Amino acid sequence: DTAVSQTPKYLVTQMGNDKSIKCEQNLGHDTMYWYKQDSKKFLKIMFSYNNKELIINETVPNRFSPKSPDKAHLNLHINSLELGDSAVYFCASSQVDPSYEQYFGPGTRLTVT
Amino acid sequence: DAKTTQPPSMDCAEGRAANLPCNHSTISGNEYVYWYRQIHSQGPQYIIHGLKNNETNEMASLIITEDRKSSTLILPHATLRDTAVYYCIVRPRERLTGGGNKLTFGTGTQLKVEL
Repeated sequence: DTAVSQTPKYLVTQMGNDKSIKCEQNLGHDTMYWYKQDSKKFLKIMFSYNNKELIINETVPNRFSPKSPDKAHLNLHINSLELGDSAVYFCASSQVDPSYEQYFGPGTRLTVT
Repeated sequence: DAKTTQPPSMDCAEGRAANLPCNHSTISGNEYVYWYRQIHSQGPQYIIHGLKNNETNEMASLIITEDRKSSTLILPHATLRDTAVYYCIVRPRERLTGGGNKLTFGTGTQLKVEL
């Protein structure tokens, strides 16, 4: 059984479009995250939600809007896509206690042309 | 979060132990040392973590120096499937107010296991 799943796995779109990436976890975790890995392979936190409440917003442009309909889902909507948004986006989840590890999804490779 | 320093790359022969070092000289007493790895194009995978005692699990061993300023991840019998980027991460023991439980990744060590 997949613990953290993301859809789609690949997303190719044009500049200016709006797109969404979905994430679901079946681990019963309270906390979910979005990370971005750019072309230089730097992996950086974008958002964190705990029980549907936004906890971390790491200076991400307003064009990025996470939404958590329930604690098992954290979706990422991106408006007015730009070339620099091309990256691999990873969803993760964990227990709220920081001593617990984070489980990552397989990633969504977004290419903006 | 404390800054960590890792060598950019290492090679290891299959079947031999891979010893991956990490310096975290500014670590504070309430911070854990975590290790994750990322196999090409996959999501990062948790390996092990510790506070001050050495730890071992089915994947690896973690040796933390007595002053906690450095640590070594040991893969006892490396296989080709262990080829990956290994990240050493230091993070607070307690959940930060408003800070959540984020992982701050550095550049890691690219481990290449060869025949």
